[in-house]
Amino acid sequence: KAGVTQTPRYLIKTRGQQVTLSCSPISGHRSVSWYQQTPGQGLQFLFEYFSETQRNKGNFPGRFSGRQFSNSRSEMNVSTLELGDSALYLCASSLATQETQYFGPGTRLLVL
Amino acid sequence: AQKVTQAQTEISVVEKEDVTLDCVYETRDTTYYLFWYKQPPSGELVFLIRRNSFDEQNEISGRYSWNFQKSTSSFNFTITASQVVDSAVYFCALIHPGGSYIPTFGRGTSLIVHP
Repeated sequence: KAGVTQTPRYLIKTRGQQVTLSCSPISGHRSVSWYQQTPGQGLQFLFEYFSETQRNKGNFPGRFSGRQFSNSRSEMNVSTLELGDSALYLCASSLATQETQYFGPGTRLLVL
Repeated sequence: AQKVTQAQTEISVVEKEDVTLDCVYETRDTTYYLFWYKQPPSGELVFLIRRNSFDEQNEISGRYSWNFQKSTSSFNFTITASQVVDSAVYFCALIHPGGSYIPTFGRGTSLIVHP
């Protein structure tokens, strides 16, 4: 089975721009979660989607949003980028909420 | 509130040494899951183990072993005869099922294995 894939792997943006990251879960997995990882804050939960519905949300501003499609693929969007948004964004999929999560390789976002 | 503490920020060992990574957790819930993940330089978190709070049996998988002790709220991870390929950041995580499914991760322990 193919693992979780994320695109793009690397991204450079400037302040004020917006960005969309994509995640394809493991086949059969219906839950997708997103995390932000930075040296200062560690791994922080952004949100989780299951069957196209947001189930849980972490403590991030409204500039961070996401969605899930009927094929379970998910996208997250960050609008009005700030320097502090530079991070590794990780996507994880699981069969269902509360099941073991399997992570993708991440997207490294650099905001200049 | 849930909390996971990995007090060891970085551990450096020489190949073939045994090494233990500590994980101490806090939760008011009696039902929870504990996890260990490995993050190599490539960035992807690799799932290692999941332990249910009702199962205190220790587990061994090859060179890896886990010691779960509810009395001390610890879920420690030992690598026997470490190898250079074990160099990575290791994360311990806690999830409380049944409520809002927001996992709590520790800050991670960076393990460096020197040849």
